[in-house]
Order: sequence, then C-alpha cells, then structure tokens
Amino acid sequence: DTAVSQTPKYLVTQMGNDKSIKCEQNLGHDTMYWYKQDSKKFLKIMFSYNNKELIINETVPNRFSPKSPDKAHLNLHINSLELGDSAVYFCASSLRTGDTDTQYFGPGTRLTVL
Amino acid sequence: AQSVTQLGSHVSVSEGALVLLRCNYSSSVPPYLFWYVQYPNQGLQLLLKYTTGATLVKGINGFEAEFKKSETSFHLTKPSAHMSDAAEYFCAVSVTVRAGRRALTFGSGTRLQVQP
Repeated sequence: DTAVSQTPKYLVTQMGNDKSIKCEQNLGHDTMYWYKQDSKKFLKIMFSYNNKELIINETVPNRFSPKSPDKAHLNLHINSLELGDSAVYFCASSLRTGDTDTQYFGPGTRLTVL
Repeated sequence: AQSVTQLGSHVSVSEGALVLLRCNYSSSVPPYLFWYVQYPNQGLQLLLKYTTGATLVKGINGFEAEFKKSETSFHLTKPSAHMSDAAEYFCAVSVTVRAGRRALTFGSGTRLQVQP
C-alpha cells in the first residue's frame, strides 16, 4: 500500500499553461507539505497544511495555490507556468506539526516547463 | 536562523569501506536533526533522527549518527558500504519558520557513490 502518492509522476507542459498536481496520504496524518527540489537537488518547503488549514506559506509566488479538500489530500495548482517552475515537487505528510515528527514523502512529480 | 551545512556534495567509497557523511548545524536552541536518503527517482525516506536523550542514534540499513553539541555536528556513518547504499543523503533540521510554526530545512545533499 502506498503511503503518500502523487499524480502525475511526470508533467511536461508549455509556458503559460495552468496545471495541478495531486497528493494523497493514507497514513491518517494531520499535516501535509509541499516541497520543491531544484536541479541542484536543493529542497525547500513551500506550504504546509494541518487539518485543512494553511499553516506555512513560504515565499512562493501567488501563481502557486495549494488546496486541501480534506486532511488526506493536498493538491497544488500552478497558474501561468514559467520556465523556472521546472523542478521536482514532493508532497509529504506527518502525524502532527510537532518538531520531531517524521515526514513521509511521496515519490515526487517531475515538472518540465518548455 | 537555524540551518544545516553538508560538507562534500559527492562522496565515493569502495564497497565494504566506512561511510562518513558530514553535517554541521547552526542553532541557538537545542536542535532536532534528521537524516533522509533519496534513491534515484524516488522520494525521501527517513534514515534516523535525533530529538533528545542518547546522542548516538541508530537508524535503518546499518546507519548511525552522533549528535555532538560541542562540534555542532551530526555526521552520518556506516561501518561497511554496500552497493545498494548509493543514493543522495540529506541532513535536515527542524526550524521555526514563523511563530509557532516549524518546518524542515534541508542541507544541499551529498551524493554517495559506492565502487565495486
């Protein structure tokens, strides 16, 4: 059973398009995250939701909008895609938002903007 | 601000040799430290974490790390490398992003190559 799943695994699109990435966790966790990993493997937190409430929103352009219909799902919608958005996007979840909680990562979505 | 620095973006060892991946942190408060591994084309998986208590932490796949406050280090070691250990390794620290909110801040990663 997949703990944290993301769809699609690969996404290739043109500049200016709007796209969404879906994430689901079946671990019963309360908190979910989106991370961006650039071409140099640097990982940076983008958003965090706890029980459908946005609790972390880092310096991410407004073109990125997370949506959490329930605590098991956290989707990422990106408007007007730009070349610089090309990266691997990882979803993660943890039981709570505690300091020591282990985060479980999905397999990633490789986004390529042409 | 809390952060981690991983020394060496690439480390190459022979199969059976000692693995040592370095991580130093900066923190004004007791840190919570993590090591994650990323195999090719996969997500990150927790290897081990230090919260409180014993400073030598044992993780999965024979890895361990020692929290040394005096050196602000949390280096990852494994006595004998296997070919299957080849991956990207990330050190991370739990940091306060804003009041009451914490998130993981990752180091830049170290790619471990294991030579036959």
